[in-house]
Amino acid sequence: AQSVTQPDIHITVSEGASLELRCNYSYGATPYLFWYVQSPGQGLQLLLKYFSGDTLVQGIKGFEAEFKRSQSSFNLRKPSVHWSDAAEYFCAVGDRGGSNYKLTFGKGTLLTVNP
Amino acid sequence: NAGVTQTPKFQVLKTGQSMTLQCAQDMNHNSMYWYRQDPGMGLRLIYYSASEGTTDKGEVPNGYNVSRLNKREFSLRLESAAPSQTSVYFCASRLLNSPLHFGNGTRLTVT
Repeated sequence: AQSVTQPDIHITVSEGASLELRCNYSYGATPYLFWYVQSPGQGLQLLLKYFSGDTLVQGIKGFEAEFKRSQSSFNLRKPSVHWSDAAEYFCAVGDRGGSNYKLTFGKGTLLTVNP
Repeated sequence: NAGVTQTPKFQVLKTGQSMTLQCAQDMNHNSMYWYRQDPGMGLRLIYYSASEGTTDKGEVPNGYNVSRLNKREFSLRLESAAPSQTSVYFCASRLLNSPLHFGNGTRLTVT
């Protein structure tokens, strides 16, 4: 069964600092990979996705993520964090094949941004 | 451009009461999903419907039932609510293996 681990429950960074949120997955082949962001009281919004091709993917709001097959990782990065980036971030893995359309989510990383 | 619409936004139930959470999408998506979100647990899949006419259990289906009424609508029913079902419930939809589109959630409290 597929699974996702986000090792950091809570991260605090200063505004303007760089950010990296970690995501490790377990899956038998190359999965579909996603990062979502959730602001308080809101639903989840897609930041970026990896399906195939270039392993460095660009997303909205200046975020990017890199798929590393050898490390089973899909870490999210941003070079300079803005106060509005404070939110909870979820990594998700999706099954590629058959009739299984399920997405499995990590438990999330809460990002706090200090002024 | 509504996307995924969930009703109600908030609900308080007493233990043992029943209710149905409604979800509708206007994007002509094939697959629809119900997740619950609890602090420190992330999102856990309750039920999903890969296509109209089919439904399958997810990770935490006990205490819930679903109906895929048509391609647009996918409802979640609690027959006898329990305090452990206090949560935020999200409906989502997608087309084949495209990303999920989420509704804004229903916050349910069971006392």
